[in-house]
Amino acid sequence: GENVEQHPSTLSVQEGDSAVIKCTYSDSASNYFPWYKQELGKRPQLIIDIRSNVGEKKDQRIAVTLNKTAKHFSLHITETQPEDSAVYFCAAPKSGGYNKLIFGAGTRLAVHP
Amino acid sequence: DAGVIQSPRHEVTEMGQEVTLRCKPISGHNSLFWYRQTMMRGLELLIYFNNNVPIDDSGMPEDRFSAKMPNASFSTLKIQPSEPRDSAVYFCASSGQQFSGNTIYFGEGSWLTVV
Repeated sequence: GENVEQHPSTLSVQEGDSAVIKCTYSDSASNYFPWYKQELGKRPQLIIDIRSNVGEKKDQRIAVTLNKTAKHFSLHITETQPEDSAVYFCAAPKSGGYNKLIFGAGTRLAVHP
Repeated sequence: DAGVIQSPRHEVTEMGQEVTLRCKPISGHNSLFWYRQTMMRGLELLIYFNNNVPIDDSGMPEDRFSAKMPNASFSTLKIQPSEPRDSAVYFCASSGQQFSGNTIYFGEGSWLTVV
């Protein structure tokens, strides 16, 4: 089955700096890689996703890159702002192609003014 | 769209009591998931339904846990009897299609405390 490893577990940056979170997955058949943001006391919400037919996707200050050969994908946040402070989760589908996501352990990002 | 609706939002119960968590998926979605979130274990997939049928319940921790989906707009997760280690946030989520690549939307969660 799928296993998703996420690093780092915590990340502290100054406002305006960039933040990078990395994930690796085990199932080479995985084809969909979403990233969720969870603010304190709230539900996880999708912020960006990437499918296996592309290597990079951008949406304003956030971007995701995928390396299928190495089986890893990363979230990049540029020009960080205090409201980016949250826990970020990567995910990959559980084996079998169905829409069952296995989540990484999460990265707690703190952006300091 | 009201999103995924869960109830209760918060519940405190005594060990040994039965707990029932409820979920209404987004209208038209045919995949429904129950996740559990704790500090120690993160977000764990407990069970997955497609078209009201349980497809994968391998994440259900033990026989004290059961889940049902009697129709397309309602699901329950039941814990009987409850134990303190069941304290967690239980999220219900839904998506429009069963195959990989469709966005999964989470409800607000049910915060369970078993004392």
